[in-house]
Amino acid sequence: ETGVTQTPRHLVMGMTNKKSLKCEQHLGHNAMYWYKQSAKKPLELMFVYSLEERVENNSVPSRFSPECPNSSHLFLHLHTLQPEDSALYLCASSQVRGMVNTEAFFGQGTRLTVV
Amino acid sequence: AQSVTQLGSHVSVSEGALVLLRCNYSSSVPPYLFWYVQYPNQGLQLLLKYTSAATLVKGINGFEAEFKKSETSFHLTKPSAHMSDAAEYFCAVISGGSNYKLTFGKGTLLTVNP
Repeated sequence: ETGVTQTPRHLVMGMTNKKSLKCEQHLGHNAMYWYKQSAKKPLELMFVYSLEERVENNSVPSRFSPECPNSSHLFLHLHTLQPEDSALYLCASSQVRGMVNTEAFFGQGTRLTVV
Repeated sequence: AQSVTQLGSHVSVSEGALVLLRCNYSSSVPPYLFWYVQYPNQGLQLLLKYTSAATLVKGINGFEAEFKKSETSFHLTKPSAHMSDAAEYFCAVISGGSNYKLTFGKGTLLTVNP
């Protein structure tokens, strides 16, 4: 497979459930991202990992917990979510060399519904 | 701080007509600028990018954009709209400071009428 792959594509979970979103990139990139896309809102950057270290966390609630075990894989662990967390969650990757960042390549997204 | 403003949340054109989607940016240093397209229930696909080389950038599907520093603009155009162009379009910027932060505009929904 090529590009950025996200699983699952759709997820319905209750507020007391624990689930994980998975992202895998096959592009050899060294940075990975989680974005949240809600209706009527701009894309929100949630987390950035570069060389498997978290470099940015944009004040995301602790019920979202990222994990980056290696440069090709990124997870978003979810627990005790709220209905307002329902959204499309997008994973992306890019190649960063010093201060130069290439364009981000996005996965298809996971449509999350919290009931 | 960097930011992007897309003028018009919804643009409607007839098939065969000119497409013009507007984007203005704010950046304290020379930016990298991008246009992405998103079809329903899909991720974002890169249309084109400006990285301080030629100011007129050609992308996929017949789209192009021109970087105008004096106007801080990066408008997206296509001479003749096709039904398959109907989608949401996002302008984005990376500039100095945090080179990891790709800042997006709110998006412009393009509809193409037959």
